[in-house]
Amino acid sequence: EAGVVQSPRYKIIEKKQPVAFWCNPISGHNTLYWYRQNLGQGPELLIRYENEEAVDDSQLPKDRFSAERLKGVDSTLKIQPAELGDSAVYLCASSLGLAGPYEQYFGPGTRLTVT
Amino acid sequence: SQQGEEDPQALSIQEGENATMNCSYKTSINNLQWYRQNSGRGLVHLILIRSNEREKHSGRLRVTLDTSKKSSSLLITASRAADTASYFCATPSGSARQLTFGSGTQLTVLP
Repeated sequence: EAGVVQSPRYKIIEKKQPVAFWCNPISGHNTLYWYRQNLGQGPELLIRYENEEAVDDSQLPKDRFSAERLKGVDSTLKIQPAELGDSAVYLCASSLGLAGPYEQYFGPGTRLTVT
Repeated sequence: SQQGEEDPQALSIQEGENATMNCSYKTSINNLQWYRQNSGRGLVHLILIRSNEREKHSGRLRVTLDTSKKSSSLLITASRAADTASYFCATPSGSARQLTFGSGTQLTVLP
């Protein structure tokens, strides 16, 4: 079974530039999560999708961050414009079903460096 | 804000020794999960323990949960160099369909 796929793995951009991250969850997983992980910290949830609906985006900085999950499968997270403080690892995870508790399966993450 | 907090922040042991890390949380929960993260990789689910369970085993892992003290512990027995990783506890939050992670324990197993 293929795991959660993320691309790119690494991205270096200058501040004020846009950037996008892509995630393909495990087939059949209804719930998709985007997390941000700063160095030495645990992941912090940015947004959670149930199928194609964003059901919790309270931690998403909506002035510069946006996300979408087309057809309830792949998802894209965008930052525009990027700031120095956005440097972090962006993790995508998915889980089976809509009722918890379910273990979450994580992708390898995208390491973003904003210079 | 973080619900679970791991202790210690860092732990260094010799191969073959046991490693114990603890997690404390603030509010009542119905389950708690432990994850491992190897350097530069995503998190991997290790074990889930429900609030009506006191102890759970999986291979060389032993997890305990004390709901009265709002704490959990993860014991890794007979550690190996490959166990070197960060270990996170995670508790349900919000609608209970999402997890809040602690800041993790960095375990180093020396060969």
